[in-house]
Amino acid sequence: AQTVTQSQPEMSVQEAETVTLSCTYDTSENNYYLFWYKQPPSRQMILVIRQEAYKQQNATENRFSVNFQKAAKSFSLKISDSQLGDTAMYFCAFIDAGNMLTFGGGTRLMVKP
Amino acid sequence: DGGITQSPKYLFRKEGQNVTLSCEQNLNHDAMYWYRQDPGQGLRLIYYSQIVNDFQKGDIAEGYSVSREKKESFPLTVTSAQKNPTAFYLCATLGPGVREPTNEKLFFGSGTQLSVL
Repeated sequence: AQTVTQSQPEMSVQEAETVTLSCTYDTSENNYYLFWYKQPPSRQMILVIRQEAYKQQNATENRFSVNFQKAAKSFSLKISDSQLGDTAMYFCAFIDAGNMLTFGGGTRLMVKP
Repeated sequence: DGGITQSPKYLFRKEGQNVTLSCEQNLNHDAMYWYRQDPGQGLRLIYYSQIVNDFQKGDIAEGYSVSREKKESFPLTVTSAQKNPTAFYLCATLGPGVREPTNEKLFFGSGTQLSVL
């Protein structure tokens, strides 16, 4: 079974600064997808960014980027120029070739004014 | 619009009662999932289904049951055997195809909050 670990239960950052959320996973597969999801207080799941394991280039979406280290099985999320609206729970997720979808335990991010 | 509909938004269960949470999608997706989320916690997989008339247990299937008689529908029943059912339940679908690790798009419903009376 795949496992996804987010080692930071809570983090905080000052507005306009940069923060990095960590995620590690365990799998024996070579072909899979990784995601970061944001869950605000409304509890709606919002896709932040996704990464295909076969792509070496790190994914980027505006202020959000990832550092994908396949050999180390690491998938960290960097948020640049943090905004108050970034305050939320962030979940790392993994989909294997069999469509088994596994989430990490989440990191609660607080952006301070 | 295509999407996932979960209902009801809030549900209350009495002691010893079975309750069913609805998840309907018109995205023509094969794979559907049910997750449980406790306050401040992550999402734990209850059941998932990759095709009609087939489903697999997730990490916390005890006390729950599902069916997949139609592609569009994947209802979750919380049985009386689930002694601590209070949680937020999320349904998700994955497209476009089963065992196609390309162009996956994951969609979530808006969730059902289940509480015990």
